[in-house]
Amino acid sequence: QKEVEQDPGPLSVPEGAIVSLNCTYSNSAFQYFMWYRQYSRKGPELLMYTYSSGNKEDGRFTAQVDKSSKYISLFIRDSQPSDSATYLCAMSAGQAGTALIFGKGTTLSVSS
Amino acid sequence: DAGVTQSPTHLIKTRGQQVTLRCSPKSGHDTVSWYQQALGQGPQFIFQYYEEEERQRGNFPDRFSGHQFPNYSSELNVNALLLGDSALYLCASRWTSGGLTGELFFGEGSRLTVL
Repeated sequence: QKEVEQDPGPLSVPEGAIVSLNCTYSNSAFQYFMWYRQYSRKGPELLMYTYSSGNKEDGRFTAQVDKSSKYISLFIRDSQPSDSATYLCAMSAGQAGTALIFGKGTTLSVSS
Repeated sequence: DAGVTQSPTHLIKTRGQQVTLRCSPKSGHDTVSWYQQALGQGPQFIFQYYEEEERQRGNFPDRFSGHQFPNYSSELNVNALLLGDSALYLCASRWTSGGLTGELFFGEGSRLTVL
């Protein structure tokens, strides 16, 4: 079993839809949880990071962490065509920014 | 403010050759990490440099080596290239101070093709 599991999709939604992206993990030592967005042929861009369990909201994005279930989610409200990208979950046991373990990424396509 | 810059952006090598990739961290950052991203996969941690020393290493063979210079820039070297080394190599930087660390910022990557 991989340390971090993420459904690669692809996921296709119409503009304005609510998108839910998820990852599960097996290492209970993970404390820092991140979501990165990666456009084609670009480097990953940090969207959200959360320490331990709980929710965090930033504009149209909400990140949730449930450590008891070893499950993290990213919700995108009012999705836009510009949200079309690959979304990578990442996590670490040490402080945010130390060696990250990434999921495979979910490819999202938002059609207008 | 320049972000993380990497060079070259693309390169093609043949099996058995050696390659050097370069990275300049974001201004104010002193810690550099390297990741390998194969097609359709998430990035995999190779190693991290701080104060010119390798501080953490992922599950990569000794063919992968690196260096950090006094100006915090870094190089990744890969010897005896294999076809499986074809990937996007990402450099990421952050600041470290008093045991605390900032967020990781990634560069655009160097795309290596091994023929």
